[in-house]
Parts: sequence; structure tokens; C-alpha cells
Amino acid sequence: GENVEQHPSTLSVQEGDSAVIKCTYSDSASNYFPWYKQELGKRPQLIIDIRSNVGEKKDQRIAVTLNKTAKHFSLHITETQPEDSAVYFCAATTGNQFYFGTGTSLTVIP
Amino acid sequence: DAGVIQSPRHEVTEMGQEVTLRCKPISGHNSLFWYRQTMMRGLELLIYFNNNVPIDDSGMPEDRFSAKMPNASFSTLKIQPSEPRDSAVYFCASSLVQGGSTQYFGPGTRLTVL
Repeated sequence: GENVEQHPSTLSVQEGDSAVIKCTYSDSASNYFPWYKQELGKRPQLIIDIRSNVGEKKDQRIAVTLNKTAKHFSLHITETQPEDSAVYFCAATTGNQFYFGTGTSLTVIP
Repeated sequence: DAGVIQSPRHEVTEMGQEVTLRCKPISGHNSLFWYRQTMMRGLELLIYFNNNVPIDDSGMPEDRFSAKMPNASFSTLKIQPSEPRDSAVYFCASSLVQGGSTQYFGPGTRLTVL
């Protein structure tokens, strides 16, 4: 099955700086890559996703890039704010079942 | 739409007791997933259903765990007998049955087994 690796496991940035989280996947048939944000004590919530026919997608301060050849995708958060502090999960799928990364705990220091 | 609904939100029970967690998926969604989240293991898929049929239960830890989906709007996850190591947050998620369809998570049930 698919194997998704996520790095780093923890990340601290100063408010206003950028944050980048990277994931790699093993199954070249994976075609959908969502990113979830989980605040403390809350449910994971979708923040952005990308499909395999697209190389980059942007939504305000967040963007995701996909390199199918290298089988990796990344989440970019610009102009970070304290409310961006949370655990972020990447996932990959070829169909219904999502394979999640192990999560990145992002702390934005005011 | 109210989103995915789970109950109870919190459950505290004693070792050996039966625990039943409940989930109502988003109306129109026909895939349903049960996950367990702990600090040690992260987010683990336990089982998922397509059109009420269990597709993959390889994540179910052992025979003490069972899940059912008697109809399109209701699923249960049962632990019998419960053990302290079952303490975790259990999430239910739903999506459409099609490749690359987003999963939406419920609020979770925080289970504590004493």
C-alpha cells in the first residue's frame, strides 16, 4: 500500500515568517493530496488540496506544490500568524482510503 | 448540513465494560471511515465502509473491536471488553465513493478507559 512520510515533525517560526511542510509518497498511482489542520482538541479540517494533474494551488496565504516525478508535495504558509499554530497532516490517496502523514506541529511565535 | 455527527463526545468507562461509539455521516456521502488518534500512534484508520459494506478492516486492532453500518446514515464502533490502552480519540469521517473525494471528520469521541 501507500506510504506517506511527513517532515518536520515540529516546526517553530516567528510570526510573519513562512513555514514549509513536506511530504513524500510511494505509490505513483496516488492522485489526490489533501492537507488537514488540527487545532488542539478539535477535528482535522481540510485546508487545501491538490490533484495530480496540477502542479501548484494557492489559497490566500497557503499554497501546495506537487512534484509527481519526485513523488513529493509541500504545504507553504506565508505571513504566518499565531492562529496558524496547529498540527498539520498531509495525505495521499488513489481512491477512497487516505494514507496520512504523521503530522507536523507548527508553532508560530508572536 | 450539520456535518458528521458523533456521539457521545466524551466517554469514561471502566476496564472490561462495553463501549459503543456512534456516527452519522453527511447526508449523501456513501463512504464512512473510523479512525483512532493517540499521541503515540497518530491517526490510524480502523475500518471503512463503501455503501454500508466494510471494505477494509485491517486496521481493527483485535477481536474486541467491531464496527457495523446497518444503513447509509448510521454506523457504530463497539469495543468489548474495553481496556485502558483503548483510551484515545475516535474520529468518524465520511466522503463520496469516488477517487479523490475529500473526507470530512466528525468532532470525535474522547474515550477514557480506567
